[in-house]
Amino acid sequence: GDSVTQMEGPVTLSEEAFLTINCTYTATGYPSLFWYVQYPGEGLQLLLKATKADDKGSNKGFEATYRKETTSFHLEKGSVQVSDSAVYFCALSDRTGGFKTIFGAGTRLFVKA
Amino acid sequence: SQTIHQWPATLVQPVGSPLSLECTVEGTSNPNLYWYRQAAGRGLQLLFYSVGIGQISSEVPQNLSASRPQDRQFILSSKKLLLSDSSFYLCAWSPRAAGVQYFGPGTRLTVT
Repeated sequence: GDSVTQMEGPVTLSEEAFLTINCTYTATGYPSLFWYVQYPGEGLQLLLKATKADDKGSNKGFEATYRKETTSFHLEKGSVQVSDSAVYFCALSDRTGGFKTIFGAGTRLFVKA
Repeated sequence: SQTIHQWPATLVQPVGSPLSLECTVEGTSNPNLYWYRQAAGRGLQLLFYSVGIGQISSEVPQNLSASRPQDRQFILSSKKLLLSDSSFYLCAWSPRAAGVQYFGPGTRLTVT
C-alpha cells in the first residue's frame, strides 16, 4: 500500500541555517503531496502542497518540489527562525486510496537563537 | 470561511469511565471527517473516518467508537476508558475528493 517515509529527528539548527527535511513516498496512483506543521500543543496546519509532478509548493519561505522520478518531496528553507521550531509531517493523498491521507512519522525541528 | 471546533481542550478521566469528544465543522457541507490519535512525540494514528451521516469506517479495533449524527458533527466515544487511551486526539475535515485536511486544535486526554 501507499506509504511515506521522512527523516528521523530531532533536527537541531542555529537560526539562519539552511533546512532540508527529506521525504520519500510509495504510491500506486498519482498522489497529491503535502507538508503539514504542528506547533506545540496544537493541531496540524497545512504548510504547502503539490498536486502533480514537477509542481513546487511554497509558503512562508518553505519550498518543496514534487519529484516523480525519485518519488520525493523534500522540504527546504533557506534561513530558519526560532519560530520555525515545530514538528513537520510529510503526507500523501491518493484517489485510488480512497479518502484517507497517509502521514509520515513527523520530524521535530529545534532552532536555536 | 470554514472553521473546525473541538471540545473539550483538555480532559482528565478515571479508568473505566465513559468518554465523549465532540467535533463540529462550520462553513462547509458534506465534508469527510476524521479522528486521529497522537501519542506524545509520535505520529498520527487514524482511528475513524466518515464520508457521510451514519457512515463510519474504523481503522483500528479498540474500545473506541465514532458516530456522525449530523453532517458536520463527529463524535468519538468510549464506554470504558483504559490507561492506554491517554493521548492527544485530533479531529480533521476535508472537502469531498480533495486530499488536503484541516485539523482542529485537539483534545488532550489523560486517563488516571
